[in-house]
Amino acid sequence: DVKVTQSSRYLVKRTGEKVFLECVQDMDHENMFWYRQDPGLGLRLIYFSYDVKMKEKGDIPEGYSVSREKKERFSLILESASTNQTSMYLCASSFQGTTEAFFGQGTRLTVV
Amino acid sequence: AQSVTQLGSHVSVSEGALVLLRCNYSSSVPPYLFWYVQYPNQGLQLLLKYTSAATLVKGINGFEAEFKKSETSFHLTKPSAHMRDAAEYFCAVTGSGNTGKLIFGQGTTLQVKP
Repeated sequence: DVKVTQSSRYLVKRTGEKVFLECVQDMDHENMFWYRQDPGLGLRLIYFSYDVKMKEKGDIPEGYSVSREKKERFSLILESASTNQTSMYLCASSFQGTTEAFFGQGTRLTVV
Repeated sequence: AQSVTQLGSHVSVSEGALVLLRCNYSSSVPPYLFWYVQYPNQGLQLLLKYTSAATLVKGINGFEAEFKKSETSFHLTKPSAHMRDAAEYFCAVTGSGNTGKLIFGQGTTLQVKP
């Protein structure tokens, strides 16, 4: 079974804190993604990576950065958390090409 | 640019009734299309996918979807709803290029009444 594991299910952080969301996949997938899910807006792509140390901005990268030092791990970083970053964050991975993505359980982040 | 529109943010059906969730897409290239389901407090699980083979695609849990190029649609159906089908459903299309990126619709919450 493909497994995409996100390090936390729930997080509460204070405004201005630096926040790290971690994601690990065990299927040797080349592609990894970070999405943000908000009611009525579906999932929006923040960043994706198609190889180690490679990254590309998605549709809403402002206020976020990412790191991929190893193939199996993709980290999302909120440099200075703000209340409008309160959301559900979903990590996904896939093989190179147009195949389906496999999702983690999500991290519900609340910034107070 | 690719885009997806799901008609109806909430759909309510009675148990045993037909489920129809609508999805229209826009794509400049032949698309790959997906339906995902999200149960409460969980990630997304793939229901089915269209990858340019048969236009009628069968998925898990009794769901199926039909790709209609002339209508740019990929509606999801199930003949008889179960209480356990209550969830949020997302339609997605592959983005431009061969990157594996997915463009998602806004989601449809399915309520199943006893």
